[in-house]
Amino acid sequence: DILMTQSPSSLSASVGDTVSITCRASPTISTYLNWYQQKPNKAPQLLIHSASTLQSGVPSRFSGNESETNFTLTIRSLQPEDFATYYCQQSYNIPFTFGPGTKVDLK
Amino acid sequence: EVLLVESGGGLVPPGGSLGLSCAASQFTFSNYEMNWVRQAPGKGLEWLSYISSGSRTIYYADSVKGRFTISRDNAKNSLYLQMYSLRVEDTAVYYCVRGSPIGASYYFDSWGQGTLVTVSS
Repeated sequence: DILMTQSPSSLSASVGDTVSITCRASPTISTYLNWYQQKPNKAPQLLIHSASTLQSGVPSRFSGNESETNFTLTIRSLQPEDFATYYCQQSYNIPFTFGPGTKVDLK
Repeated sequence: EVLLVESGGGLVPPGGSLGLSCAASQFTFSNYEMNWVRQAPGKGLEWLSYISSGSRTIYYADSVKGRFTISRDNAKNSLYLQMYSLRVEDTAVYYCVRGSPIGASYYFDSWGQGTLVTVSS
């Protein structure tokens, strides 16, 4: 199975900050990497697919990029509604696997 | 807007069985691959199973293979998950999840609200 790791596991930030979350895959997964946002007691929502393609309706302050086996989700100018847990997920092969999540909370 | 509504969750004793349903609407269900994903309380997301649009291809996570059965009825716009030999560690919120349209990549583009399954004596 492909192992997905994320760092940090949590971070504290303020409204207006720029934050970045890193996801690594082992072994490599090309750009078959997706990002989801989950708010407490809600279902996850797709933010970015294919490492860097913003899902329709997602604000442009969210962006994703990849460099070899590293993937990064960046949120610019953090808004109050962005405080949530973020998961990466690989769709390179079955079983689809998720990272353990990164919780972004208010400093 | 895509709508996925799960039902069938509840309390079941260890070793018991339970069937989940997912009613899909506002899109052409028969054109899409579907999945089940679960989340144990306070934990992360775990993909469980995939079914192709015509039910020809099915995959399972090792953790549920041989105990869970995914199926669908395109005439009823419904997805199912039949769960047998349930264990305490199967306690989780179960999500019905739509797979992306056929393309270069694959992702989960729509999620239901989830249904809670509690396995406990």
